Amino acid sequence: DAKTTQPDSMESTEGETVHLPCSHATISGNEYIYWYRQVPLQGPEYVTHGLQQNTTNSMAFLAIASDRKSSTLILPHVSLRDAAVYHCILRALNTEGADRLTFGKGTQLIIQP
Amino acid sequence: DPKIIQKPKYLVAVTGSEKILICEQYLGHNAMYWYRQSAKKPLEFMFSYSYQKLMDNQTASSRFQPQSSKKNHLDLQITALKPDDSATYFCASSRPGQGKYFGPGTRLTVL
Repeated sequence: DAKTTQPDSMESTEGETVHLPCSHATISGNEYIYWYRQVPLQGPEYVTHGLQQNTTNSMAFLAIASDRKSSTLILPHVSLRDAAVYHCILRALNTEGADRLTFGKGTQLIIQP
Repeated sequence: DPKIIQKPKYLVAVTGSEKILICEQYLGHNAMYWYRQSAKKPLEFMFSYSYQKLMDNQTASSRFQPQSSKKNHLDLQITALKPDDSATYFCASSRPGQGKYFGPGTRLTVL
């Protein structure tokens, strides 16, 4: 799988909108961009994923650059519950669904009250 | 209602013993996985199963053996336990093209 680069940490304040960047300059045409987050002592939580078009759900907005070499996870109006390590992971679609995810260090998002 | 059940939540074992970690998912997913997370390290993929068949194995040691008795079960048997096996073990499941759903984990401590 192609590699991603994320900042080690970012800090924001409750109520603000957070932009979490991810660089993936060597992404392949069939690789999806997945975002997960993890808080201490819990399993990772799926946030969103996309291929080429921007996507949105109840948790976040995923903005994907037109050349797909970078993406940004946008978290609107963050709360203390959004404090977590956010992972940007590339993965090609596996039709049987049994694909593995390779987690790195991710970005530690710190939220101040 | 719990979507993925992992039992037990905490497990303490002595070196050389054998333990089984239980995982059941009630999401109707065809794929199930095991991941491991040691202290302050990234999550590490171990196994993936699809329709009860082993699809991928990234665990070098044969001491770790997944067992799928039912389509919504994927247990993990660990033999000859070592202190280095101490970690939190997460079970996960998914459908093709969807995000993975992770369980709450089993925290294993080997003394």
